[in-house]
Amino acid sequence: QVQLVESGGGLVKPGGSLRLSCAASGFTFSDYYMSWIRQAPGKGLEWVSYIGGSGSPIQYADSVKGRFTISRDNAKNSLYLQMNSLRAEDTAVYYCARALRMTMFGVTYFYYYYMDVWGKGTTVTVSS
Amino acid sequence: QSALTQPPSVSGSPGQSVTISCTGTSSDIGSYNRVSWYQQPPGTAPKLMIYEVSNRPSGVPDRFSGSKSGNTASLTISGLQAEDEADYYCSSYTTGSTCVFGSGTKVTVL
Repeated sequence: QVQLVESGGGLVKPGGSLRLSCAASGFTFSDYYMSWIRQAPGKGLEWVSYIGGSGSPIQYADSVKGRFTISRDNAKNSLYLQMNSLRAEDTAVYYCARALRMTMFGVTYFYYYYMDVWGKGTTVTVSS
Repeated sequence: QSALTQPPSVSGSPGQSVTISCTGTSSDIGSYNRVSWYQQPPGTAPKLMIYEVSNRPSGVPDRFSGSKSGNTASLTISGLQAEDEADYYCSSYTTGSTCVFGSGTKVTVL
């Protein structure tokens, strides 16, 4: 079955770095855009970044631009988020999500702004 | 990019209908029919309920429907059931090819 499993979360000091991973299974990983979305404790969802199936295009939220880097390894069916210069406000559950992809009348559409499969999330805590 | 505006909470009795609004700007909802809705029961990951304003993914009950007018999108849950109790988030594509979520609405079944 289609599954996403995040890992790599933990406690890190302000200014520190962390690398999150997301292992995908049950679908052809390279065919899909992938995203990271986060949720601070007791707060709403915040989109963080997405990446195309071949590694581009890439987009980031303004709140993480210049500090976070999204990447993927299609041979390993894995998505990554390198987080540098971490701040207290980066504390959140980080979800990996697959973007919706549909084929109609022989044409494939990549709806990278709709997330149809989500992992369970990994918790990142930035605190001294 | 500021979060889309949703009411903090809505409630209804079983069998009733509730509607959640989601207000954006001309940079997101007002310019694109790329609105989605997600359901998040407590302690779980979000689930896609509506995409492209009013389309339901396979498996989502037809009690859930979406619409849009101007800068505001809406999610209506008809025939409210106990299992519909959850947080609901809207989301929209934005200029600059990014995404923005709403502030979230807690639906309570009385």
